[in-house]
Amino acid sequence: DAVMTQSPLSLPVTLGQPASISCRSSQSLVHSDGNTYLSWFQWRPGQTPRRLIYKVFNRGSGVPDRFSGSGSGTDFTLKISRVEAEDVGLYYCMQSTHWPYTFGQGTKLEIK
Amino acid sequence: EVQLVESGGGSVQPGGSLRLSCVASGFSIVNYWMHWVRQAPGEGLVWVSYIQSEGTYTTYANSVKGRFTVSRDNAKNTLYLQMNGLRAEDTAVYYCASHRGGWAEAYWGQGTLVTVSS
Repeated sequence: DAVMTQSPLSLPVTLGQPASISCRSSQSLVHSDGNTYLSWFQWRPGQTPRRLIYKVFNRGSGVPDRFSGSGSGTDFTLKISRVEAEDVGLYYCMQSTHWPYTFGQGTKLEIK
Repeated sequence: EVQLVESGGGSVQPGGSLRLSCVASGFSIVNYWMHWVRQAPGEGLVWVSYIQSEGTYTTYANSVKGRFTVSRDNAKNTLYLQMNGLRAEDTAVYYCASHRGGWAEAYWGQGTLVTVSS
């Protein structure tokens, strides 16, 4: 299985400051079709999970442009340009290139 | 409003069975890949099973293979998970998720809690 390793696991951030989460895979996430199926999800307290980013850098419909994804192969990053109060929650990366799909451990973002 | 709503969770003794349902509203699941994902207390997310759009292909995590069966009724816009031979380690919140376009479109439910305990 592709092991997904996120860091940091806890991320205290001052409002208005940037934040960055790393996600590393134990194997390349480049699919035989040429796509890289790496997604980022947000779990906010009391809300249903939300997909933020798909295929490494594509922002989902309705996702604020302060969220961005980057990376390739085995190393990926989610960045928030300016953290807002509503960004508090858990963030997970997930690979869907290989079966079984696997998730990172999750990063808890909180406001300092 | 687009929604996925899971139901059918509850408490069951080891060796027992439960059937989870996930009803979609606001969109048709016909062309969506459908999954079950679970999260045990204090643990991370674990993918459980997948069913292809027309229901002809399914796949499972090794930990549930042979005990769980995923199915779908596109006419009822509903995904199911039949869970047999439940074990304590199956205790978790179970989420259904739908996607297409490599997660370009993606929806999750709010989860339903399954507790396996004697």
